[in-house]
Amino acid sequence: NAGVTQTPKFRVLKTGQSMTLLCAQDMNHEYMYWYRQDPGMGLRLIHYSVGEGTTAKGEVPDGYNVSRLKKQNFLLGLESAAPSQTSVYFCASRDRVKPQHFGDGTRLSIL
Amino acid sequence: DAKTTQPNSMESNEEEPVHLPCNHSTISGTDYIHWYRQLPSQGPEYVIHGLTSNVNNRMASLAIAEDRKSSTLILHRATLRDAAVYYCILMGGSGTSYGKLTFGQGTILTVHP
Repeated sequence: NAGVTQTPKFRVLKTGQSMTLLCAQDMNHEYMYWYRQDPGMGLRLIHYSVGEGTTAKGEVPDGYNVSRLKKQNFLLGLESAAPSQTSVYFCASRDRVKPQHFGDGTRLSIL
Repeated sequence: DAKTTQPNSMESNEEEPVHLPCNHSTISGTDYIHWYRQLPSQGPEYVIHGLTSNVNNRMASLAIAEDRKSSTLILHRATLRDAAVYYCILMGGSGTSYGKLTFGQGTILTVHP
């Protein structure tokens, strides 16, 4: 049972480039989340989804888009990357009132 | 969202108990108290949660004050593997904050051999 898998694990982008981060979960969870974590800080919620085909904004949604076309996948897109988006990105999933399960993160650097 | 206050850091010796405090004076009646921890270079890991009563599991115990304005995570015998950042988080149990976790800066726990 893989749990929550994030790809890629590392990426370096140039300012203005676009990319998509993939989160996949094999636990049939309804809810999925994307967070970012800056150095020395706690996680901040970017976007989340309460089910297939639905998404909603979190605390820091600007500059990001998401899609949940399949229940097991939650994609986070950066249309035009900026240095301020250099961070570690974590995906999480959960089922109803159960705790969230987190992936190991994607380390993204934007030059 | 309701906030929590935790000490920035704490230290312990191996095999001794550790009590990690958390204040949440603005907690609402439907907020659950969750604890997660984050080991270096990993994603957060669920530790324990509760609503009103004290809770025990294989990892830790959670003691919740009668007025619910504070709680304490108890690690009964700290090991070197328990060195991590511990987050006390209020998870909304209803309305627009349902299921959402709002992370603070957490407590950095150092365990000495």
